[in-house]
Amino acid sequence: KAGVTQTPRYLIKTRGQQVTLSCSPISGHRSVSWYQQTPGQGLQFLFEYFSETQRNKGNFPGRFSGRQFSNSRSEMNVSTLELGDSALYLCASSPMTSGYNEQFFGPGTRLTVL
Amino acid sequence: GESVGLHLPTLSVQEGDNSIINCAYSNSASDYFIWYKQESGKGPQFIIDIRSNMDKRQGQRVTVLLNKTVKHLSLQIAATQPGDSAVYFCAGGASGGSYIPTFGRGTSLIVHP
Repeated sequence: KAGVTQTPRYLIKTRGQQVTLSCSPISGHRSVSWYQQTPGQGLQFLFEYFSETQRNKGNFPGRFSGRQFSNSRSEMNVSTLELGDSALYLCASSPMTSGYNEQFFGPGTRLTVL
Repeated sequence: GESVGLHLPTLSVQEGDNSIINCAYSNSASDYFIWYKQESGKGPQFIIDIRSNMDKRQGQRVTVLLNKTVKHLSLQIAATQPGDSAVYFCAGGASGGSYIPTFGRGTSLIVHP
């Protein structure tokens, strides 16, 4: 079974631009979560989607948004990029939505904002 | 909310030694904890988990200990190998309703051959 895939793996943008990152979960997994990882803040939860609905949201500004499609694939968008948005963005999928379920992480997308 | 942190940012050990990575948490409502391993250029990988109604759980070469009295958990790696070199994160969360784990900053484990 293929793992979680994320595209692109690396991205360079300039301030003020917007970016869209893509995540394909493990087949059969319906929950997709997004995380931002930086050296200073560690791993921080962005949001979680299930059945095309955002179920949970972390403490990030509205510039960060996401969506999930009927095939469970998910995208996240960051508008009006800032230098501080430079980070590794990780996507994780899990089979269920409620309670504790093991999450499987993708390799991440390394975003650099210049 | 949950706050999970790690005591030491870097741990250096010799190959064959046992490693112990520590983690403290603040939210008593957490009912599960997970340890992840993250190698360079990769996403976190699940190692082992433990429910709050347990105080010890063993896996292959790894053991997690949970001390709810002092809100502390540890990951013990037996006979550490160079392939164990990575950053290790602990994460905690509550299983009732939503699943929003909170991660510690991570401890970098360096295994010297």
